[in-house]
Amino acid sequence: ELKVEQNPLFLSMQEGKNYTIYCNYSTTSDRLYWYRQDPGKSLESLFVLLSNGAVKQEGRLMASLDTKARLSTLHITAAVHDLSATYFCAVASNYGGATNKLIFGTGTLLAVQP
Amino acid sequence: NAGVTQTPKFRILKIGQSMTLQCTQDMNHNYMYWYRQDPGMGLKLIYYSVGAGITDKGEVPNGYNVSRSTTEDFPLRLELAAPSQTSVYFCASSYLSLNANTEAFFGQGTRLTVV
Repeated sequence: ELKVEQNPLFLSMQEGKNYTIYCNYSTTSDRLYWYRQDPGKSLESLFVLLSNGAVKQEGRLMASLDTKARLSTLHITAAVHDLSATYFCAVASNYGGATNKLIFGTGTLLAVQP
Repeated sequence: NAGVTQTPKFRILKIGQSMTLQCTQDMNHNYMYWYRQDPGMGLKLIYYSVGAGITDKGEVPNGYNVSRSTTEDFPLRLELAAPSQTSVYFCASSYLSLNANTEAFFGQGTRLTVV
């Protein structure tokens, strides 16, 4: 059974600082997704990582995927208050053949302090 | 651009009542999903569907039923509401399977309280 773990669960950081959120998963997969959720809102897609070594960047966020280590990272550079949100990683999993499920991590609540 | 539309946005149910959460997508996506999100937690997959007429259980299917009579619609049914089903429910859809270069698009959520 696929399990997806994120750490830390909560991250308080100052503006201008750098930090990394980690996402580990338990079974083979080469499709990993990062989502952002603002309080009371739906999920917004940030990155889709499709292969080992994939790296994608958008603004102050950069995501990478290491399928051999079953690890993805979301790196935040020079954080600003607008990045405060909950960040989820999700892994596509095969169950019983060609069908796929998207299994989510527990989320990381990021609070950027001025 | 409607995308994935869920109704209602909010609902309060009494224990033992039943209701249907509606989900419609206008992107011609084959795959549709129902998740629940408990406070401060991640999303748990309840049911999913790979196309009209085909559904399967996810991680937490007990107490729920689904149907998929059309590509566009994927309603979630609660037959006997229980306090443990108090949660925010998200519907999502994606094109083909997630092994392709696709992503899942989410609705705005339905906040359900069972009292």
